Amino acid sequence: GESVGLHLPTLSVQEGDNSIINCAYSNSASDYFIWYKQESGKGPQFIIDIRSNMDKRQGQRVTVLLNKTVKHLSLQIAATQPGDSAVYFCAENTGGSYIPTFGRGTSLIVHP
Amino acid sequence: KAGVTQTPRYLIKTRGQQVTLSCSPISGHRSVSWYQQTPGQGLQFLFEYFSETQRNKGNFPGRFSGRQFSNSRSEMNVSTLELGDSALYLCASSLGLAGGGEQFFGPGTRLTVL
Repeated sequence: GESVGLHLPTLSVQEGDNSIINCAYSNSASDYFIWYKQESGKGPQFIIDIRSNMDKRQGQRVTVLLNKTVKHLSLQIAATQPGDSAVYFCAENTGGSYIPTFGRGTSLIVHP
Repeated sequence: KAGVTQTPRYLIKTRGQQVTLSCSPISGHRSVSWYQQTPGQGLQFLFEYFSETQRNKGNFPGRFSGRQFSNSRSEMNVSTLELGDSALYLCASSLGLAGGGEQFFGPGTRLTVL
């Protein structure tokens, strides 16, 4: 499959553990954030989003937390499974510019 | 419904040549964005087309260009290829503008410049 990055931060966890992936964003005016998952050989896939008027949003096994004070975003994955192994990107959108900015990504490796 | 498709999936070119990549968005989506993905720079925005008009452009030289057709299909062209243009080129479609909501990505075209 395609390799998306050779120098990405890596998080290794055991199957069944909870995973936390962090992202620092750059623009305090950003008002919409998305987490994407990219598996080898595929394009990024939407996981969950959050708007700046919220500080937490939950999906199925995933939770996104937003701390605007320190410009920090995190993705929590509960009961991590081998199928969760992928590169995870955060994207920020600044109202009015409509150009998404992507973080460098974190490689999540789940060991059975 | 069918996802975003990109052709070709793999391409090998030599320096100085030009290349055209194609993207077919999800039916009904009017926005198509193009990204370059490399290990060193990550995912970088190239440009976005909406209803056949370029709406946004990233910080890339003029050698990178694109267009969108009336059926929302899009092409991007890179002229006078350089070694540094080797990358995975991703296309993404969305109902509205790229910055306003979820984007759906294709599998990418892997371009290698020799």
